[in-house]
Amino acid sequence: DGGITQSPKYLFRKEGQNVTLSCEQNLNHDAMYWYRQDPGQGLRLIYYSQIVNDFQKGDIAEGYSVSREKKESFPLTVTSAQKNPTAFYLCASSILGLARGDEQFFGPGTRLTVL
Amino acid sequence: GENVEQHPSTLSVQEGDSAVIKCTYSDSASNYFPWYKQELGKGPQLIIDIRSNVGEKKDQRIAVTLNKTAKHFSLHITETQPEDSAVYFCAASFDSGYALNFGKGTSLLVTP
Repeated sequence: DGGITQSPKYLFRKEGQNVTLSCEQNLNHDAMYWYRQDPGQGLRLIYYSQIVNDFQKGDIAEGYSVSREKKESFPLTVTSAQKNPTAFYLCASSILGLARGDEQFFGPGTRLTVL
Repeated sequence: GENVEQHPSTLSVQEGDSAVIKCTYSDSASNYFPWYKQELGKGPQLIIDIRSNVGEKKDQRIAVTLNKTAKHFSLHITETQPEDSAVYFCAASFDSGYALNFGKGTSLLVTP
């Protein structure tokens, strides 16, 4: 059963703590992305990666970090430097890199609440 | 960078009526325009997309039109059903290599 999985679905953390969100895909997609969604807002790009061991900042990368050690995995760490981390986080993947404009498939999302 | 504007932000229609959502984009280099449907608490799902070499595309009750000159594209849903109720997002991207740029979404409510 192919797809993108994100875990956990809900995550609660205390202010000042780093937290890592998981994203795994078994679609053999080259590119992976992280978006942030706030109420009444569109999706905003945090980071993206087109190949293993390489990634690029998106529009709102400050306070976040990523790694791409394996093709199928693209974890996102929300650091204490992120001033307003409470949001819905969406991971996506696509066959080719962003430059080709190919379909992005989304995971089910992780809702992060910082108390 | 690319700026995508989406209207309306909310739309309420009666079952069986048509719904139209409109988006405009700023960068004439954009050449790929997908539409996503997002249900509450879930990730967005692609419902239809169009590339700049095509003016219209249909898939059953859903259609998308693109006017490159005016830089706008629209989603048309005919014979709406309650299960069409969701948030719809338009997006645009271009080959120079950056992200999908999303509109802010339209919350569609189809009442029986």
